[in-house]
Amino acid sequence: GNSVTQMEGPVTLSEEAFLTINCTYTATGYPSLFWYVQYPGEGLQLLLKATKADDKGSNKGFEATYRKETTSFHLEKGSVQVSDSAVYFCALLLGAGNNRKLIWGLGTSLAVNP
Amino acid sequence: GAVVSQHPSWVICKSGTSVKIECRSLDFQATTMFWYRQFPKQSLMLMATSNEGSKATYEQGVEKDKFLINHASLTLSTLTVTSAHPEDSSFYICSARIYNEQFFGPGTRLTVL
Repeated sequence: GNSVTQMEGPVTLSEEAFLTINCTYTATGYPSLFWYVQYPGEGLQLLLKATKADDKGSNKGFEATYRKETTSFHLEKGSVQVSDSAVYFCALLLGAGNNRKLIWGLGTSLAVNP
Repeated sequence: GAVVSQHPSWVICKSGTSVKIECRSLDFQATTMFWYRQFPKQSLMLMATSNEGSKATYEQGVEKDKFLINHASLTLSTLTVTSAHPEDSSFYICSARIYNEQFFGPGTRLTVL
């Protein structure tokens, strides 16, 4: 079936460290891929997305490349800040029209220390 | 960006009572809204998809009679947890879709005593 696997957290880093959160997926068809972020006390927000193979999504210094050959969409940031502390969710979108659904990973908690 | 609100943000109720959670898209009209449930340290579980003016489509294993969803307008959907029990305690999140993007509410923490 369709699924998303994320690396388990929590991840704890020092400020300015390099971040990688791994995400791999299993899907039929050609899904769109997303990273969402949930800051403490807030709702989920779209961080970045990619809709086809080799696309790179980027936002706020975060990047992820849609790798069809490895079915991966790893999230990276070169230098994290304390304000990046949040829970990050990888998701894929399948289906068409009103049948489109997001399928979610378990989320990875990131804590960045000053 | 588009804003989705939920009310209440948290609620505590007694077992056997019913609780209604509202989800509103504040600055856009959403033809499709979603309700999710999130358990601690687990992913979001889609409960149902609702399209304005029609009956909600429930995911397998979600009790329709227990989780009543009404999507009466393009900006409002409600989830009513009927005859709530402690096992219904969870974090409920709504989402509204416009074009190809989903926007999420801040969630409602339900605790059933």
